[in-house]
This record gives sequence, structure tokens and C-alpha cells, in this order.
Amino acid sequence: NAGVTQTPKFRILKIGQSMTLQCAQDMNHNYMYWYRQDPGMGLKLIYYSVGAGITDKGEVPNGYNVSRSTTEDFPLRLELAAPSQTSVYFCASSLGLPEYEQYFGPGTRLTVT
Amino acid sequence: GENVEQHPSTLSVQEGDSAVIKCTYSDSASNYFPWYKQELGKRPQLIIDIRSNVGEKKDQRIAVTLNKTAKHFSLHITETQPEDSAVYFCAATPYKYIFGTGTRLKVLA
Repeated sequence: NAGVTQTPKFRILKIGQSMTLQCAQDMNHNYMYWYRQDPGMGLKLIYYSVGAGITDKGEVPNGYNVSRSTTEDFPLRLELAAPSQTSVYFCASSLGLPEYEQYFGPGTRLTVT
Repeated sequence: GENVEQHPSTLSVQEGDSAVIKCTYSDSASNYFPWYKQELGKRPQLIIDIRSNVGEKKDQRIAVTLNKTAKHFSLHITETQPEDSAVYFCAATPYKYIFGTGTRLKVLA
């Protein structure tokens, strides 16, 4: 099992550009999440999904979009990148909620200049 | 709204001493309380968890205690080692994960 994988590992974007952060898991987990972690700070939930075709907003959804067409994949789309979106982005998955461990991907370090 | 308060934000201990990190949650529906360890530049990883029908759980040098009446739970690390240096996050889960703000633990050799 690869677990949760994320691509790319690093990316530099110019202000106003768009990109998609990829996330995939091979554990057949229904629940998937996107978090951002600013330097020295905690984890903030951006979006989550409870299954294919179902997504919902977290604490900080503005400037992001998600889709979940399959159980395995949960891409995060950034439209019109802004410097405030400079962060490390973690994707995670879990078998269910609430009493299940979340498995995190290795993260994507994004810089917007 | 729902939140999880975590204290202290930084903690320095001498190698071999114990470390205690405390979290307080607001939603009484919370029934699962995991602790994650995040080493520098790495992803968070679960180190121990406890469910609401249990008061204490141990795994070698780490333990977690839960007081549902007071709505707080704590992580205890005994005989600390340099490799315990990391950021530790608590979480409470009513219907979703709510993470604490993290504690940076430094174990001084």
C-alpha cells in the first residue's frame, strides 16, 4: 500500500495563476480531507469529502475548489493564486468519522509570489 | 463554536524528564481523542488515541488520560528522548476532526 500520495511536492506559482494539487489513496477510505498548514501553525481544514460525489466546506474554503469523482482521488484546485495561499497543503483520508485515524500524505509546499 | 485549546504552545524538558501536554474541548459530543506527532518537514502521524469510554491508555512511554466531565485530555511522555522533539497536536471529534494549535516539544540532551 502506498497510502496517501500527493503531487507535486513543491511548487512556485505567480500571483493569479491556477493549479491543481493531486491527492490519491489506495486504502479504500471513504473520507478524504484537505488541510493547509501555515509556518509554525496548526492544521486548518479547507474541504472534505465523505464519498465519491460528495464534498463540503471546512474552515477556510475561499479560493479553493474540490471534486471527488472516484473513491481514490481528491484533487484541490487553486484559482487565481494569492500570496496568502502560500502554505503546506496536506491531504488525508480515513475509513470514516469520527472514531477513525486520519492518514496524511507527505504534503505539497506551495509558494505564491 | 467548537474548538480545542492546547497548552503549552512550547515545552522544553531535559532528556529523561517527563512532558505533559493538555487539551480542552468544547463539544460534549466528542468521543474520540487522537494525538498526532509532526516532525520537522514531515506529515502528522498518529501516536496514540483514546475513546470516550476509556479513562487512560498507555503505549510504552506515552499515555493519554481523559476526563469527560471536565472536557480535557492530556498526553504524557515519560523518559523523554531527543527523538521525541516534534510538534504534537491533539484533536477532538464530535462529527469532524477539530485540531488543537500544537505544542512544540524540545528535549534537551
